[in-house]
Amino acid sequence: AQSVTQPDIHITVSEGASLELRCNYSYGATPYLFWYVQSPGQGLQLLLKYFSGDTLVQGIKGFEAEFKRSQSSFNLRKPSVHWSDAAEYFCAVGNTGTASKLTFGTGTRLQVTL
Amino acid sequence: GAGVSQSPSNKVTEKGKDVELRCDPISGHTALYWYRQSLGQGLEFLIYFQGNSAPDKSGLPSDRFSAERTGGSVSTLTIQRTQQEDSAVYLCASSDFNEKLFFGSGTQLSVL
Repeated sequence: AQSVTQPDIHITVSEGASLELRCNYSYGATPYLFWYVQSPGQGLQLLLKYFSGDTLVQGIKGFEAEFKRSQSSFNLRKPSVHWSDAAEYFCAVGNTGTASKLTFGTGTRLQVTL
Repeated sequence: GAGVSQSPSNKVTEKGKDVELRCDPISGHTALYWYRQSLGQGLEFLIYFQGNSAPDKSGLPSDRFSAERTGGSVSTLTIQRTQQEDSAVYLCASSDFNEKLFFGSGTQLSVL
């Protein structure tokens, strides 16, 4: 069965600092991978997705993620964090061909200090 | 509508009562999903509707949970004989063929 692990429950970074959120997945074939963000009082919003091709994918709000098959990872990065990035971030994996039935990780809550 | 709409936004009920949660997906989206988000947990898949195909009910935690989607649009998630462990945020999402999910703001269910 597919699964997603987000080892960091809570991360605090200073505004302007770089950010990396970790995501490891377990899936037998080539996965469909996603990062979603949930801001306070708002619904989940897709940041980026990986289906195939270039392993470094660019998303909205300056985020990027790199698919590393050898490490079963899909870490999310941002070079310079803004205070408005404070939110909960979820990594998810989907079945190839049925990418929308997603298995989500438990999330990482990002706090940004000024 | 402009987005996925869920109602009610908050529901408080007594243990043993039945509840119905409603989801209006984005017009034209063929796929509709229900997820459950509990405190400290990730999002738990419940059920998935795709067009006229039989729904994927593999995530429903017990036979107290059921869902239907009428006319390929509005969906209702029903929880019978609610238990305290059913307390959670119930999220609905819809998608078109590009696999991007659009989520509603959820229904916060509290079972006393």
